[in-house]
Amino acid sequence: EAGVTQSPTHLIKTRGQQATLRCSPISGHTSVYWYQQALGLGLQFLLWYDEGEERNRGNFPPRFSGRQFPNYSSELNVNALELEDSALYLCASSLRPGTAYGYTFGSGTRLTVV
Amino acid sequence: DQQVKQNSPSLSVQEGRISILNCDYTNSMFDYFLWYKKYPAEGPTFLISISSIKDKNEDGRFTVFLNKSAKHLSLHIVPSQPGDSAVYFCAASAGNQFYFGTGTSLTVIP
Repeated sequence: EAGVTQSPTHLIKTRGQQATLRCSPISGHTSVYWYQQALGLGLQFLLWYDEGEERNRGNFPPRFSGRQFPNYSSELNVNALELEDSALYLCASSLRPGTAYGYTFGSGTRLTVV
Repeated sequence: DQQVKQNSPSLSVQEGRISILNCDYTNSMFDYFLWYKKYPAEGPTFLISISSIKDKNEDGRFTVFLNKSAKHLSLHIVPSQPGDSAVYFCAASAGNQFYFGTGTSLTVIP
């Protein structure tokens, strides 16, 4: 069974540009979660999508947005990139949305803003 | 506002000895707790969990203890092995999302 896959593995962007990160959940998982892990910080919750809809978002500005497609894959878009957006972005999926069944994480996308 | 805290950024333990990783939380509504393990260049992987109705859960070499009155949980690894060297995150849930700590980097010295 394929796990959660994220692409690209690494992404380098210039300040002010836009970044698009992609995530494919485990087959059968309908919920996708996005987290940011900045240097020295824990995993900060960004967004939760389930059945194509945004269910919850963390304390991040609106330039962080995303969507979930009918096949349950998801995109995270970060507009007007700032240097402090440099971080590891992790996607996770779960089988039962909204319950504490734990996540399965992807390997992440390392975003570097220069 | 960090609701889940891991105050020790790093821990070194001799192979064969016990590793104890600690985690504190502030939200008394949290009812489910998990530990994740993360190797470099990989995503976190689920290790062990505990519900708030229990105070201990054991899985092989890994045991998680929960002290609700102190809002504290700990992960014990016995015996520690070099392959256990990784970053360990604790997480807490009060429903539909998890709050993660900042992680503790464990090094098991052969």
